[in-house]
Amino acid sequence: QKEVEQNSGPLSVPEGAIASLNCTYSDRVSQSFFWYRQYSGKSPELIMSIYSNGDKEDGRFTAQLNKASQYVSLLIRDSQPSDSATYLCAVNEGRGSTLGRLYFGRGTQLTVWP
Amino acid sequence: GAGVSQTPSNKVTEKGKYVELRCDPISGHTALYWYRQSLGQGPEFLIYFQGTGAADDSGLPNDRFFAVRPEGSVSTLKIQRTERGDSAVYLCASSLTGGFVYEQYFGPGTRLTVT
Repeated sequence: QKEVEQNSGPLSVPEGAIASLNCTYSDRVSQSFFWYRQYSGKSPELIMSIYSNGDKEDGRFTAQLNKASQYVSLLIRDSQPSDSATYLCAVNEGRGSTLGRLYFGRGTQLTVWP
Repeated sequence: GAGVSQTPSNKVTEKGKYVELRCDPISGHTALYWYRQSLGQGPEFLIYFQGTGAADDSGLPNDRFFAVRPEGSVSTLKIQRTERGDSAVYLCASSLTGGFVYEQYFGPGTRLTVT
Protein backbone atom coordinates (compact mmCIF):
# COMPACT_ATOMS: atom_id res chain seq x y z
CA GLN A 1 0.00 0.00 0.00
CA LYS A 2 1.47 3.31 -1.07
CA GLU A 3 1.35 5.90 1.69
CA VAL A 4 1.58 9.63 1.20
CA GLU A 5 1.54 11.50 4.48
CA GLN A 6 0.85 15.16 5.06
CA ASN A 7 0.16 17.13 8.19
CA SER A 8 -3.54 17.91 8.00
CA GLY A 9 -3.05 21.28 9.67
CA PRO A 10 -4.53 23.71 9.75
CA LEU A 11 -1.38 25.69 9.12
CA SER A 12 -1.89 29.36 9.82
CA VAL A 13 0.61 32.05 8.76
CA PRO A 14 0.45 35.84 8.55
CA GLU A 15 0.41 37.62 5.22
CA GLY A 16 3.93 38.03 3.85
CA ALA A 17 5.35 35.06 5.75
CA ILE A 18 6.78 31.84 4.31
CA ALA A 19 4.44 28.85 4.46
CA SER A 20 6.12 25.44 4.59
CA LEU A 21 4.17 22.35 3.62
CA ASN A 22 5.61 18.88 4.03
CA CYS A 23 4.97 15.46 2.57
CA THR A 24 6.53 12.05 3.06
CA TYR A 25 5.97 8.96 0.97
CA SER A 26 6.53 5.29 1.60
CA ASP A 27 7.54 3.91 -1.80
CA ARG A 28 11.21 4.36 -2.66
CA VAL A 29 10.61 3.78 -6.37
CA SER A 30 8.42 6.88 -6.70
CA GLN A 31 9.67 9.04 -9.53
CA SER A 32 7.48 12.11 -9.92
CA PHE A 33 6.00 14.44 -7.35
CA PHE A 34 3.30 17.04 -7.60
CA TRP A 35 1.70 19.75 -5.53
CA TYR A 36 -1.90 20.68 -6.12
CA ARG A 37 -3.88 23.52 -4.60
CA GLN A 38 -7.55 22.96 -3.89
CA TYR A 39 -9.89 25.75 -2.90
CA SER A 40 -12.97 24.80 -0.94
CA GLY A 41 -15.59 23.31 -3.26
CA LYS A 42 -13.25 23.32 -6.25
CA SER A 43 -11.12 20.72 -7.99
CA PRO A 44 -7.34 20.34 -7.55
CA GLU A 45 -5.16 22.75 -9.52
CA LEU A 46 -1.59 21.75 -10.40
CA ILE A 47 0.95 24.25 -9.12
CA MET A 48 4.30 22.40 -9.13
CA SER A 49 5.91 19.22 -10.37
CA ILE A 50 9.37 17.94 -9.43
CA TYR A 51 11.28 14.76 -10.17
CA SER A 52 14.94 15.49 -9.43
CA ASN A 53 16.51 15.91 -6.02
CA GLY A 54 16.93 19.52 -5.02
CA ASP A 55 14.88 22.65 -5.41
CA LYS A 56 12.62 23.86 -8.17
CA GLU A 57 11.35 27.42 -8.10
CA ASP A 58 8.35 28.92 -9.87
CA GLY A 59 7.48 32.45 -8.82
CA ARG A 60 6.64 32.46 -5.11
CA PHE A 61 6.61 28.65 -4.97
CA THR A 62 9.60 26.38 -4.35
CA ALA A 63 9.34 22.61 -4.35
CA GLN A 64 12.07 20.63 -2.62
CA LEU A 65 12.70 16.93 -3.12
CA ASN A 66 14.90 14.55 -1.16
CA LYS A 67 14.47 11.01 -2.47
CA ALA A 68 16.86 9.51 0.07
CA SER A 69 14.65 10.79 2.89
CA GLN A 70 11.46 10.19 0.87
CA TYR A 71 10.43 13.75 1.53
CA VAL A 72 9.01 16.52 -0.63
CA SER A 73 8.05 20.00 0.50
CA LEU A 74 6.48 23.16 -0.84
CA LEU A 75 7.49 26.62 0.28
CA ILE A 76 5.27 29.59 -0.45
CA ARG A 77 7.07 32.90 -0.08
CA ASP A 78 5.29 36.19 0.58
CA SER A 79 2.09 34.31 1.43
CA GLN A 80 -1.15 36.02 0.46
CA PRO A 81 -4.68 35.51 1.76
CA SER A 82 -5.51 34.15 -1.70
CA ASP A 83 -3.10 31.27 -0.98
CA SER A 84 -5.53 30.01 1.68
CA ALA A 85 -6.51 26.56 0.43
CA THR A 86 -5.80 22.87 0.92
CA TYR A 87 -2.52 21.73 -0.58
CA LEU A 88 -2.36 18.18 -1.85
CA CYS A 89 0.85 16.23 -2.33
CA ALA A 90 0.77 13.55 -5.04
CA VAL A 91 3.29 10.90 -5.98
CA ASN A 92 3.70 8.84 -9.15
CA GLU A 93 5.76 5.67 -9.61
CA GLY A 94 6.39 6.50 -13.24
CA ARG A 95 6.66 2.90 -14.36
CA GLY A 96 4.84 -0.24 -15.33
CA SER A 97 1.12 -0.73 -14.99
CA THR A 98 0.78 2.08 -12.45
CA LEU A 99 2.46 4.58 -14.77
CA GLY A 100 -0.43 7.00 -14.73
CA ARG A 101 -1.64 6.61 -11.18
CA LEU A 102 -1.19 9.44 -8.68
CA TYR A 103 -1.23 8.64 -4.98
CA PHE A 104 -2.48 11.59 -2.97
CA GLY A 105 -2.07 12.63 0.61
CA ARG A 106 -5.06 13.96 2.55
CA GLY A 107 -3.88 17.52 2.12
CA THR A 108 -2.75 20.32 4.41
CA GLN A 109 -5.14 23.19 5.01
CA LEU A 110 -3.35 26.54 4.86
CA THR A 111 -4.81 29.80 6.15
CA VAL A 112 -3.03 33.09 5.47
CA TRP A 113 -4.39 35.86 7.66
CA PRO A 114 -4.07 39.56 6.76
CA GLY B 1 -7.40 26.93 -24.25
CA ALA B 2 -10.26 24.91 -22.90
CA GLY B 3 -9.60 22.78 -19.88
CA VAL B 4 -11.09 19.45 -18.89
CA SER B 5 -14.87 19.55 -18.80
CA GLN B 6 -17.20 17.27 -16.89
CA THR B 7 -20.94 16.82 -16.99
CA PRO B 8 -23.14 16.95 -15.08
CA SER B 9 -21.70 19.15 -12.34
CA ASN B 10 -24.12 17.66 -9.85
CA LYS B 11 -26.06 14.42 -9.91
CA VAL B 12 -28.55 13.24 -7.33
CA THR B 13 -29.83 9.71 -7.74
CA GLU B 14 -31.65 7.12 -5.72
CA LYS B 15 -29.99 4.04 -4.34
CA GLY B 16 -30.02 1.26 -6.90
CA LYS B 17 -30.15 3.51 -9.96
CA TYR B 18 -27.66 3.66 -12.82
CA VAL B 19 -25.61 6.81 -13.52
CA GLU B 20 -23.23 7.98 -16.21
CA LEU B 21 -20.64 10.68 -15.72
CA ARG B 22 -18.94 12.28 -18.70
CA CYS B 23 -15.47 13.73 -19.15
CA ASP B 24 -14.07 15.69 -22.10
CA PRO B 25 -10.28 16.02 -21.82
CA ILE B 26 -7.99 18.80 -22.91
CA SER B 27 -7.55 18.70 -26.68
CA GLY B 28 -4.45 16.73 -27.61
CA HIS B 29 -4.19 14.88 -24.30
CA THR B 30 -4.06 11.17 -24.96
CA ALA B 31 -4.18 10.04 -21.33
CA LEU B 32 -7.31 10.32 -19.24
CA TYR B 33 -7.82 9.50 -15.56
CA TRP B 34 -10.75 9.11 -13.21
CA TYR B 35 -10.48 9.73 -9.47
CA ARG B 36 -13.02 10.17 -6.74
CA GLN B 37 -12.71 12.35 -3.69
CA SER B 38 -14.59 12.09 -0.43
CA LEU B 39 -14.79 14.93 2.06
CA GLY B 40 -11.51 15.49 3.87
CA GLN B 41 -9.60 13.01 1.71
CA GLY B 42 -7.26 13.28 -1.21
CA PRO B 43 -8.41 12.03 -4.60
CA GLU B 44 -8.44 8.26 -4.94
CA PHE B 45 -7.43 6.72 -8.27
CA LEU B 46 -10.04 4.73 -10.19
CA ILE B 47 -8.87 4.14 -13.77
CA TYR B 48 -6.41 5.39 -16.38
CA PHE B 49 -6.86 5.35 -20.16
CA GLN B 50 -4.09 5.53 -22.70
CA GLY B 51 -5.93 6.22 -25.93
CA THR B 52 -9.01 4.00 -26.14
CA GLY B 53 -7.81 1.28 -23.80
CA ALA B 54 -7.80 1.09 -20.03
CA ALA B 55 -4.13 0.90 -19.09
CA ASP B 56 -4.86 0.50 -15.38
CA ASP B 57 -8.33 -0.16 -13.96
CA SER B 58 -7.16 -1.59 -10.67
CA GLY B 59 -8.64 1.30 -8.70
CA LEU B 60 -12.23 0.53 -9.62
CA PRO B 61 -13.78 -0.58 -6.32
CA ASN B 62 -15.99 -3.35 -7.70
CA ASP B 63 -17.74 -4.56 -10.84
CA ARG B 64 -20.52 -1.99 -10.51
CA PHE B 65 -18.05 0.56 -11.84
CA PHE B 66 -17.08 0.65 -15.49
CA ALA B 67 -15.54 3.25 -17.77
CA VAL B 68 -15.15 3.58 -21.51
CA ARG B 69 -13.34 5.83 -23.92
CA PRO B 70 -14.40 4.51 -27.33
CA GLU B 71 -12.77 7.09 -29.58
CA GLY B 72 -9.82 8.03 -27.43
CA SER B 73 -11.26 11.38 -26.38
CA VAL B 74 -14.44 11.63 -24.32
CA SER B 75 -14.82 9.14 -21.49
CA THR B 76 -17.86 7.95 -19.58
CA LEU B 77 -17.77 6.51 -16.08
CA LYS B 78 -20.71 4.23 -15.47
CA ILE B 79 -21.98 3.14 -12.08
CA GLN B 80 -24.63 0.45 -11.78
CA ARG B 81 -26.87 -0.20 -8.78
CA THR B 82 -25.60 2.87 -6.97
CA GLU B 83 -25.08 2.73 -3.23
CA ARG B 84 -24.97 5.53 -0.67
CA GLY B 85 -21.25 4.86 -0.24
CA ASP B 86 -20.71 5.89 -3.87
CA SER B 87 -21.51 9.48 -2.94
CA ALA B 88 -18.39 11.56 -3.65
CA VAL B 89 -16.95 14.03 -6.10
CA TYR B 90 -15.81 12.23 -9.23
CA LEU B 91 -12.85 13.94 -10.83
CA CYS B 92 -11.51 13.49 -14.31
CA ALA B 93 -7.99 14.51 -15.35
CA SER B 94 -6.02 14.41 -18.57
CA SER B 95 -2.38 14.62 -19.51
CA LEU B 96 0.08 14.39 -22.33
CA THR B 97 2.04 11.16 -22.58
CA GLY B 98 5.62 10.40 -23.44
CA GLY B 99 8.31 11.77 -21.25
CA PHE B 100 8.85 11.32 -17.60
CA VAL B 101 6.51 13.57 -15.72
CA TYR B 102 2.82 13.04 -16.20
CA GLU B 103 1.30 16.34 -15.25
CA GLN B 104 -2.39 15.72 -14.78
CA TYR B 105 -4.93 18.52 -15.10
CA PHE B 106 -8.27 18.11 -13.40
CA GLY B 107 -11.75 19.02 -14.48
CA PRO B 108 -14.28 20.67 -12.15
CA GLY B 109 -15.70 17.35 -11.02
CA THR B 110 -19.16 15.81 -10.75
CA ARG B 111 -20.68 15.74 -7.30
CA LEU B 112 -22.66 12.50 -7.01
CA THR B 113 -25.17 12.12 -4.22
CA VAL B 114 -26.93 8.80 -3.74
CA THR B 115 -30.02 9.06 -1.55
